[in-house]
Amino acid sequence: EPEVTQTPSHQVTQMGQEVILRCVPISNHLYFYWYRQILGQKVEFLVSFYNNEISEKSEIFDDQFSVERPDGSNFTLKIRSTKLEDSAMYFCASSEYGESKLFFGSGTQLSVL
Amino acid sequence: GEDVEQSLFLSVREGDSSVINCTYTDSSSTYLYWYKQEPGAGLQLLTYIFSNMDMKQDQRLTVLLNKKDKHLSLRIADTQTGDSAIYFCAERNTGTASKLTFGTGTRLQVTL
Repeated sequence: EPEVTQTPSHQVTQMGQEVILRCVPISNHLYFYWYRQILGQKVEFLVSFYNNEISEKSEIFDDQFSVERPDGSNFTLKIRSTKLEDSAMYFCASSEYGESKLFFGSGTQLSVL
Repeated sequence: GEDVEQSLFLSVREGDSSVINCTYTDSSSTYLYWYKQEPGAGLQLLTYIFSNMDMKQDQRLTVLLNKKDKHLSLRIADTQTGDSAIYFCAERNTGTASKLTFGTGTRLQVTL
């Protein structure tokens, strides 16, 4: 069964460093998403992406965050200068259409020290 | 804004039925989803229901939707130890079609 894959599974970084989280969405899907889950809190929407541009973003997704689809298969989330409060599990998801089911990857656990 | 709430913990005996409840505030929800998260794993889509349906059954899973009360439930029949996980309710509405709003998650513990 096709799945969304994320790398790395764990990422440790120093505060102020840039990190790039990588995702390979399901191949025929057109919509891509990033969500995050801070330990003990709800899963929160960050951003959605379609047709090579951001279609919606939350208040969390400020200027420190950016997304990119650098080629036909990868979808990345960059955090320019990480803060302690960026420590969370980051989930990538994709869907075939905007209204269809979201399929999530297994997440990248980001720890900012 | 949208809000989705769930109880935090449920403990059931193996073989019994589990019922996980969820309430939401947004009356324009179009789809409601149940996701399962096992330790160290991602979010696995279990089932979903469209807002014009009252019930959906899929093998051991039954989803009930009371749109008037904005209440969603997931019933797992013959609960097994492998069902132990966190279960998330999520809703999607027409206003923000590209995002899901998740509940806090209910940790289901299945005992022998």
